[in-house]
This record gives sequence, C-alpha cells and structure tokens, in this order.
Amino acid sequence: DGGITQSPKYLFRKEGQNVTLSCEQNLNHDAMYWYRQDPGQGLRLIYYSQIVNDFQKGDIAEGYSVSREKKESFPLTVTSAQKNPTAFYLCASSIGGDDTQYFGPGTRLTVL
Amino acid sequence: AQSVAQPEDQVNVAEGNPLTVKCTYSVSGNPYLFWYVQYPNRGLQFLLKYITGDNLVKGSYGFEAEFNKSQTSFHLKKPSALVSDSALYFCAVRGFGGSQGNLIFGKGTKLSVKP
Repeated sequence: DGGITQSPKYLFRKEGQNVTLSCEQNLNHDAMYWYRQDPGQGLRLIYYSQIVNDFQKGDIAEGYSVSREKKESFPLTVTSAQKNPTAFYLCASSIGGDDTQYFGPGTRLTVL
Repeated sequence: AQSVAQPEDQVNVAEGNPLTVKCTYSVSGNPYLFWYVQYPNRGLQFLLKYITGDNLVKGSYGFEAEFNKSQTSFHLKKPSALVSDSALYFCAVRGFGGSQGNLIFGKGTKLSVKP
C-alpha cells in the first residue's frame, strides 16, 4: 500500500448525501485511478486521470465525480445520484498510463 | 471485447503442496498481464506482470506465472503453499484502444491454504 493513502477507512452516508473520498500519493505518479469493488465482481473502473487537470470516465462513472487539481491528489465524490453506492473503493496510481498500478488501502462506504 | 476470466471462485490447497490459480484472457494485440493479491479489507498488492520476453515470470513472495499465448492463459503458481498465502487473487490485463492503460480485472479467486 505504501505511498498511497486513502481516507477515511470507513465511511457511513445517509441516502441523499454526497460524500468525498480522499486519495493522496507521494510517488510522483502521473496517472491515478478509482475502482469500485463489490463481492464476486472484481474491480470496476470509475474514473481515471493521466495528467493534472484532465480525467476520463471509466466503465461505471454515473453518479460519481472527480477532480485532479494537483498531481498528488485525486478525490472521488459519490453523489446522491449513485443508486447503489455501498461498496469498497480503491484508488491506484502509476508512473504513466501504461505502467504497473499500485493501490491504496481502500475506503469502505456504507449507505444507511 | 477485452476480458479476463478466472474460472475458479475458490481454490483449496494443503500447506506445502503446489498451487495454481488459473487465468485466461481475451485481448487484441500483445497482452500486458498482471497478478495482484488482496488480503481482507486491504488494497491490492502487485505480485508480478508479463509484458514480453520469457514466458515464466517470477514475482513477489515466491509466486510465478506462466504465459501461454496459444492457450491465452496466464496461470499463477507457487511450488509450496503457505497458510499465509490465503487471500483473494486477481488477474488483470491492460486495455487497448479506448481503454489504453487501464486494467481489466477478473472476478478474483479465493485461495485457501489449510495446515
């Protein structure tokens, strides 16, 4: 996990609320990614960013938003439009878009 | 479409026995293949990758993987399993085209090593 931090580790949200998950890396990596993990479904890509101030939608971007104002930070906002947000969220980074991705420890989001 | 399949949801092995976790892939072009391990409530840890070259790739913690182009497989292996190897293992392939650089993951295989 080293070099990539995610906070908080556990997050509880009431229906209708937006929440923001933090992801910070000190590896000087250009590319960053957000994945969602559900039991038995592997990891699915939400958003990715290959450079500061630029990001692209992944396979399941609906109901999520991101920003990339700094190289080391890639926060994910789970909006009230996301119908089933309870999941384990993983952030990753890589030197470039084609390189090995390294993952943070994850944030478990539960909607009450 | 690009995809990865892990045909076994769970693999059970006795400690000290060899283990194999299977992975097959479907991509256009030459594949970049990865194996990751996940312990409960933790992030994924990188084990090894195949880009090009020798078909047998050695990685962390004594794991290795064999790339077989004709069978489009990239099975993870270890000669002697440890109880501490019990975890969830993910195979992944790098996407091409519009998914350039992104990883496509299999659904994972739970490895259980019993003493």
